[in-house]
Parts: sequence; C-alpha cells; structure tokens
Amino acid sequence: DAGVIQSPRHEVTEMGQEVTLRCKPISGHNSLFWYRQTMMRGLELLIYFNNNVPIDDSGMPEDRFSAKMPNASFSTLKIQPSEPRDSAVYFCASRTGTGVEKLFFGSGTQLSVL
Amino acid sequence: GENVEQHPSTLSVQEGDSAVIKCTYSDSASNYFPWYKQELGKGPQLIIDIRSNVGEKKDQRIAVTLNKTAKHFSLHITETQPEDSAVYFCAASIDSSYKLIFGSGTRLLVRP
Repeated sequence: DAGVIQSPRHEVTEMGQEVTLRCKPISGHNSLFWYRQTMMRGLELLIYFNNNVPIDDSGMPEDRFSAKMPNASFSTLKIQPSEPRDSAVYFCASRTGTGVEKLFFGSGTQLSVL
Repeated sequence: GENVEQHPSTLSVQEGDSAVIKCTYSDSASNYFPWYKQELGKGPQLIIDIRSNVGEKKDQRIAVTLNKTAKHFSLHITETQPEDSAVYFCAASIDSSYKLIFGSGTRLLVRP
C-alpha cells in the first residue's frame, strides 16, 4: 500500500490567492482527518470525515477554509483567500472504522503564503 | 475538553543512554494513549500505544507507562540510537471518540 498520499509537497503562494491541498487516503479507510501543524499551536485537528461525510469541522479556523470529500478516495482542503498566517504544514490522515485506532498520516503539504 | 501537556520540549541524550518523555492529561474519561514519532519532512507515525486497562506496555527498546490516578503517562526509550532522533508526540483520546488530542511535542536529539 502506498500510504496516505498528499499533494503538493510544497506550495508557495501570494496572499489573497486560492490554495487547494489534496489527499488520497489509504484504500479501505473510511475516516479522514485534516490537521495543521505550526510551531506555536502544534498539531491541530481541522476537520474529520467519516464515510465521506463531514462530522466535525469545529477546528476550521474561519470561513476562508473549506474541505470536501467527494468520494472515498479523495479529499481537498481549500483556503480562499490565503493569508500569511495560514503558513503551516497541513497533514491528512486516515484510519479504518470510527473508534480510536491507528492513524496513518501523509507526508504533509508545506504551505508558505507570502 | 481534553488538554495534554508534554515535557520536556527538547531532550538531548548521549547514544546508549535512556530517554524519558512525560505527558499529563486532564480528562479522566480518556482511555487511549498513543505515541507518535515524526521524522524530518514526514508525517507522524504511531510507535506504541496503551489503553487504560494496562499499566505498562513494552516493544523492544520502547516502553510506555500509565498512571491513571495521577493522569500521566510516559515514553521510555532505552539504549538510544542516533536514528531515534525525531520529534515525539503523545496523545490522548476517549475510546468512543474520534478525537486525538496531541501534546506539543518533544524534540529528541541522540548524540553519537
């Protein structure tokens, strides 16, 4: 298995531009998570999907952030418009089931907003 | 909600020595405590976990201990090697919940 696949690995954009991060979870996993990692705030859960349905988006910072999961093998996290304070590493993670089980993380997207 | 505190933030040890990282949690209902290792440029990877019905768990050079009364748990790495150098995160969760609350991380450096 290729694991959780994220793209792009690095994204540099200018303030005000739209940014789209992509994630392909591990086949057969029906829970998907988006995390943001910064030095100041550590690993923060942004949103959680179960069976492609958003269950909890209380961690999404503001309306500029949106996430979708159109099918079991693909999810996107969009920031529009982007701001410098959005600069961080964004991780996608997946796991089977709805209980607490091993979480598999992707390699992350390093986002820099200038 | 749950809050997880992790100490120290950085730890430097000589190769072959032991390393201990400690975490405390606030929600007494938490009953699942995993530890993740994050190497440079990679996502966190689960290295060991423990549930509240067990006081200690060991996997080769890595062990985790849990004190439910005091609400703290620790990661112990013995005979450290340079490849153990990474950032380690503890986390806590309630079994019936999906949310893993992470500690702030410990940067471990093993000096050759």
